[in-house]
Amino acid sequence: AQSVAQPEDQVNVAEGNPLTVKCTYSVSGNPYLFWYVQYPNRGLQFLLKYITGDNLVKGSYGFEAEFNKSQTSFHLKKPSALVSDSALYFCAVRDIAYTGGFKTIFGAGTRLFVKA
Amino acid sequence: KAGVTQTPRYLIKTRGQQVTLSCSPISGHRSVSWYQQTPGQGLQFLFEYFSETQRNKGNFPGRFSGRQFSNSRSEMNVSTLELGDSALYLCASSPATSGGADTQYFGPGTRLTVL
Repeated sequence: AQSVAQPEDQVNVAEGNPLTVKCTYSVSGNPYLFWYVQYPNRGLQFLLKYITGDNLVKGSYGFEAEFNKSQTSFHLKKPSALVSDSALYFCAVRDIAYTGGFKTIFGAGTRLFVKA
Repeated sequence: KAGVTQTPRYLIKTRGQQVTLSCSPISGHRSVSWYQQTPGQGLQFLFEYFSETQRNKGNFPGRFSGRQFSNSRSEMNVSTLELGDSALYLCASSPATSGGADTQYFGPGTRLTVL
């Protein structure tokens, strides 16, 4: 079964410093991996995805993620954090059913606090 | 393009009642999925619809049901509400052109409180 794990409940970083939010995955076959962000009382906003190709994926708002097959990781990164980046971040993997349907399996989420 | 819309945004019900939530996908998107988000269980998949057919279903009791209309709009219904059904219910749509690689776009959610 497909799964993702986010080992950190919370990440604290100072504004202007680089940030990393960690994610590891367990899949059978080639993984389809996603990052989403959620602000209070809002739905999820798509940041980026890895399907195939370059291991470094660039996404919205200056975020990027590095796919590492040997370490089964897909960490989210940003070179310089902003206070407005403070939110809940979810790593996710796509699970495709034999019917052709699919579901997205989410990690538990990591809360990012960026201090001014 | 307008995003995914969900109505109502907030709902308060009592135990034993039933509720219907509505989702309008992004124009042109044919796949609609529903998720339940709670502090304890996180984000959990409920079901996915494509062309009015349920293609995938999560591990929820039969009290949870859904449907999709010919215009891709979707509704989910929860009957005989329990306190544990209090959650944020999120709808997501995708174009259904790239199979599992499609990006899902989420609506703002419906906050259901069961008293």
